[in-house]
Amino acid sequence: QKEVEQNSGPLSVPEGAIASLNCTYSDRGSQSFFWYRQYSGKSPELIMSIYSNGDKEDGRFTAQLNKASQYVSLLIRDSQPSDSATYLCAVNDFNKFYFGSGTKLNVKP
Amino acid sequence: DAGITQSPRHKVTETGTPVTLRCHQTENHRYMYWYRQDPGHGLRLIHYSYGVKDTDKGEVSDGYSVSRSKTEDFLLTLESATSSQTSVYFCAISRGRQETQYFGPGTRLLVL
Repeated sequence: QKEVEQNSGPLSVPEGAIASLNCTYSDRGSQSFFWYRQYSGKSPELIMSIYSNGDKEDGRFTAQLNKASQYVSLLIRDSQPSDSATYLCAVNDFNKFYFGSGTKLNVKP
Repeated sequence: DAGITQSPRHKVTETGTPVTLRCHQTENHRYMYWYRQDPGHGLRLIHYSYGVKDTDKGEVSDGYSVSRSKTEDFLLTLESATSSQTSVYFCAISRGRQETQYFGPGTRLLVL
């Protein structure tokens, strides 16, 4: 059984702070990694994808991947109240995606 | 939006009745997926398709069947709905097997 683990939260941060979201996965053969954001009652939307070890930055978002430790993280700089949502980590293994249950982020004004 | 629609968006049905959910895409993507999302479980893969008439099971496929007779349509059928199948169902598409998945708006299904 492939597993993707996330802390369910809620993670509360003040506006303007850095939010750090973490994810671990069980399958060393996983090839690609994704972060999705999901607002309540809405469908998941892609924030970042990362395929190789290291950091990948896109605006206020930075994804970090460490395959040796089977760990992927998402940093959100200058957090805004509009970032309040559930963040899903997804790991791809061949044809299938495996999702974590998500971390709920609350950004307080 | 990735050109994905789902129908119906909401459905209430009774235990034992058959239910079919439809996913339609306009992107001509090869891969299509059906997930269910329940509190505390995240998204779980039910079935997926890697081409017309090519499908495979996911981790929670019992009680569900799928069909794909055209590239743009992927149907999910609950042969005899049970209360445990009350959930939010999402369709997703991707261009390739390791590429980003894009999600439809979801279908809320309540089985009484």
